[in-house]
Amino acid sequence: RKEVEQDPGPFNVPEGATVAFNCTYSNSASQSFFWYRQDCRKEPKLLMSVYSSGNEDGRFTAQLNRASQYISLLIRDSKLSDSATYLCVVNMYPGNTPLVFGKGTRLSVIA
Amino acid sequence: GAGVSQSPSNKVTEKGKDVELRCDPISGHTALYWYRQSLGQGLEFLIYFQGNSAPDKSGLPSDRFSAERTGGSVSTLTIQRTQQEDSAVYLCASSLPGVFTGGTEAFFGQGTRLTVV
Repeated sequence: RKEVEQDPGPFNVPEGATVAFNCTYSNSASQSFFWYRQDCRKEPKLLMSVYSSGNEDGRFTAQLNRASQYISLLIRDSKLSDSATYLCVVNMYPGNTPLVFGKGTRLSVIA
Repeated sequence: GAGVSQSPSNKVTEKGKDVELRCDPISGHTALYWYRQSLGQGLEFLIYFQGNSAPDKSGLPSDRFSAERTGGSVSTLTIQRTQQEDSAVYLCASSLPGVFTGGTEAFFGQGTRLTVV
């Protein structure tokens, strides 16, 4: 099993749609979780952290399910500007270890 | 500047030549990562530094790749005898050290686009 797995997509959705991405991780001891966004030919940037209780930032909602070892990202009322690749990131082995990045899920929002 | 700085931003080199890529992390960030990304592909982990030491070198694709970090700050990724398959964007990121709870955000530089011809 890969450490962090994501559906690569692409997800092609119309403007205004709601879209959800899931990401699974292999180590149950993982402590910290993030969603990053990467625009075409740009560097990844933090979109939001994922907290145990779930968290929301405007149209974006992140959820963590520790029992099933997955995190999710929900985007409501999709905008054209949401088109990007969304990367799931896990601090998998807490302590002196690197963040583990998923391969990303590509989203295209279509007018 | 306040962000992660990488140089050069673009590098074209001939097959067989050596190249050096530089990363200046955010001041105070002890963790530093190198990734590479081929066109249309995901991030490939190369190496991770905590201070000057590299506890995880598992991602270096061959012995032609090496990296060092001095003074807990600037890092250099060296690729010897470059091959065409080395062509990619090389991304550097830095963060505060990983902690047992909370975790920390990694900030990326804009990358070095390497083209081996």
